Amino acid sequence: QVQLVQSGAEEKKPGASVRVSCKASGYTFTAYYVHWVRQAPGQGLEWMGRIDPSSGGANYAQKFQGRVTMTKDTSISTAYMELSGLRSDDTAVYYCAKDSHTSSWFPDYWGQGTLLSVSS
Amino acid sequence: EIVLTQSPATLSLSPGERATLSCRASHNIYTYLAWYQQKPGQAPRLLIYDAFNRATGIPARFSGSGSGTDFTLTISSLEPEDFAVYYCQQRGDRPPVSFTFGPGTKVDVK
Repeated sequence: QVQLVQSGAEEKKPGASVRVSCKASGYTFTAYYVHWVRQAPGQGLEWMGRIDPSSGGANYAQKFQGRVTMTKDTSISTAYMELSGLRSDDTAVYYCAKDSHTSSWFPDYWGQGTLLSVSS
Repeated sequence: EIVLTQSPATLSLSPGERATLSCRASHNIYTYLAWYQQKPGQAPRLLIYDAFNRATGIPARFSGSGSGTDFTLTISSLEPEDFAVYYCQQRGDRPPVSFTFGPGTKVDVK
């Protein structure tokens, strides 16, 4: 069965960087984009971008351009999201999700989420 | 940039009642719209894609409709497990690539 398993919770100081991982199993990793979505405490969902694990090409939401980098390691079926210049308002749960041609490229399977806390 | 608005912000209903949720796009998005359900402490769950197609395993009481700028998610008869927050999401068909979400509608128990 499809599974996306994310790395554990992180605590960072303002100005630092964080890298969150998302290990995929149960499907062909290179066949579908991996999306990253975040959710601040008590707030809604915010799409950050997506990466094509086959080519490494990524599309980022304008808000995060210059601060986010999405990468992949196909040898271990893992996608990564790195966010730099952390601020307190980056405190959120970060989700990875895969899309599919059967869901018309909308994310259909999601990871469990990774809590990032940014505080001095 | 395409902006999605959802109404109402909160919908208070009883089990067995019909729920009607609205999502409006700032520009024509054809049928490139999905609906998600999210319960506290859980990841979102895909319900509907391309405006009216149910995702795998989604009960028939969930249905989607609409095209262009106005979309609706209908839950025909609320089950206890349906009380949650619902988000719409669009995927643009032209650059720049964007998959923005609406702000959500909370369906709670009256």
